[in-house]
Amino acid sequence: NAGVTQTPKFQVLKTGQSMTLQCAQDMNHEYMSWYRQDPGMGLRLIHYSVGAGITDQGEVPNGYNVSRSTTEDFPLRLLSAAPSQTSVYFCASTPPSPGTGLGHEQYFGPGTRLTVT
Amino acid sequence: AQKITQTQPGMFVQEKEAVTLDCTYDTSDPSYGLFWYKQPSSGEMIFLIYQGSYDQQNATEGRYSLNFQKARKSANLVISASQLGDSAMYFCAMREGRGNDYKLSFGAGTTVTVRA
Repeated sequence: NAGVTQTPKFQVLKTGQSMTLQCAQDMNHEYMSWYRQDPGMGLRLIHYSVGAGITDQGEVPNGYNVSRSTTEDFPLRLLSAAPSQTSVYFCASTPPSPGTGLGHEQYFGPGTRLTVT
Repeated sequence: AQKITQTQPGMFVQEKEAVTLDCTYDTSDPSYGLFWYKQPSSGEMIFLIYQGSYDQQNATEGRYSLNFQKARKSANLVISASQLGDSAMYFCAMREGRGNDYKLSFGAGTTVTVRA
């Protein structure tokens, strides 16, 4: 199992450029999510998906698009990069919980460090 | 309103001593889960421990224990016998509700530095 993989690890963009951050997991998890981490603010949820074909917005969705055509992949697209999107981006996936289980931790990818100049 | 509050931006602890990291949370949902994650300087997020709102006992995982005080809405992490490898950022997080909603709300984190 590779777990959750993210590419690229580092990226520098110019303002206005677009790009896609890739995320894949090989654990057959239905739930996947994207977070951004900024200094002093912890992680904030951008978008998430409860299964193939289903996505929804998190706390900070503006400027980002997602799609979920397969269980394995959950790419994050920056439509027109802005300096405010300079951050570290984490993808995560979660196994299904039995019953009322809230206790399944999210498995995080290694992160993508994005700089927008 | 902030759902998770971690009031200690940074802490120093002597090797082999215990350290307590504070976390308070805000929710009106009776069903919720509390998590602690460790983020070393290499950047990955490592799950440490979980406490459910209906759990009767405080969670423990090796040298990690969670001091859960439901009435005070606090879920402090205690690391016993600190090691140099414990130097990292620590995040408290909360999941509310049931079903397939696994959204986590994170605190701002506490940096722990262990001194030899």
